[in-house]
Amino acid sequence: AQSVTQPDIHITVSEGASLELRCNYSYGATPYLFWYVQSPGQGLQLLLKYFSGDTLVQGIKGFEAEFKRSQSSFNLRKPSVHWSDAAEYFCAVGRANAGGTSYGKLTFGQGTILTVHP
Amino acid sequence: NAGVTQTPKFRILKIGQSMTLQCAQDMNHNYMYWYRQDPGMGLKLIYYSVGAGITDKGEVPNGYNVSRSTTEDFPLRLELAAPSQTSVYFCASTSSSGANVLTFGAGSRLTVL
Repeated sequence: AQSVTQPDIHITVSEGASLELRCNYSYGATPYLFWYVQSPGQGLQLLLKYFSGDTLVQGIKGFEAEFKRSQSSFNLRKPSVHWSDAAEYFCAVGRANAGGTSYGKLTFGQGTILTVHP
Repeated sequence: NAGVTQTPKFRILKIGQSMTLQCAQDMNHNYMYWYRQDPGMGLKLIYYSVGAGITDKGEVPNGYNVSRSTTEDFPLRLELAAPSQTSVYFCASTSSSGANVLTFGAGSRLTVL
């Protein structure tokens, strides 16, 4: 069965510092990988996704993530964090080329809460 | 473009009561999903639908029911509310050309006392 692990439950960084959020997945098939962000009291917003091709993907708000197949990882990075980045971040995996009843069924990690100090 | 709309945003239920969480999307998406979010647990899939008239169970379906009579609407029903159903519920949708990218509603926070 597929699974996603986000090892860090809570991360605190200072504004302007760099950020890396870890994500490891276990998936028997070729995965689609996602990072979503959730601000307090809000729904989930897609930050970026990896389907194929270049393993370094760019997303919104200055975020990027790198897919490393050998490490089963898809870590999220940002070179300089802003106070508005404080939120909870979710990594998720779906099945590539899924059709029918597999389509859109994502497995989510537990989430990482990011706190940003001024 | 409203996207995915969920109602109500908040609700308190007593044990044994029933209620329906409403979800509507105006993007003509044929795929719709209900997830629940519990602290430290991420999101778990409750039910999903691949089109009007077709629904199926996800990872945690017990205590819930769904129906999909139209493309736009995908209500989630709790028949006999239990404290274990205290959670935040998210509805999501995508199209067959959406490559698994889900659009989420703002969520419905349910408390069962």
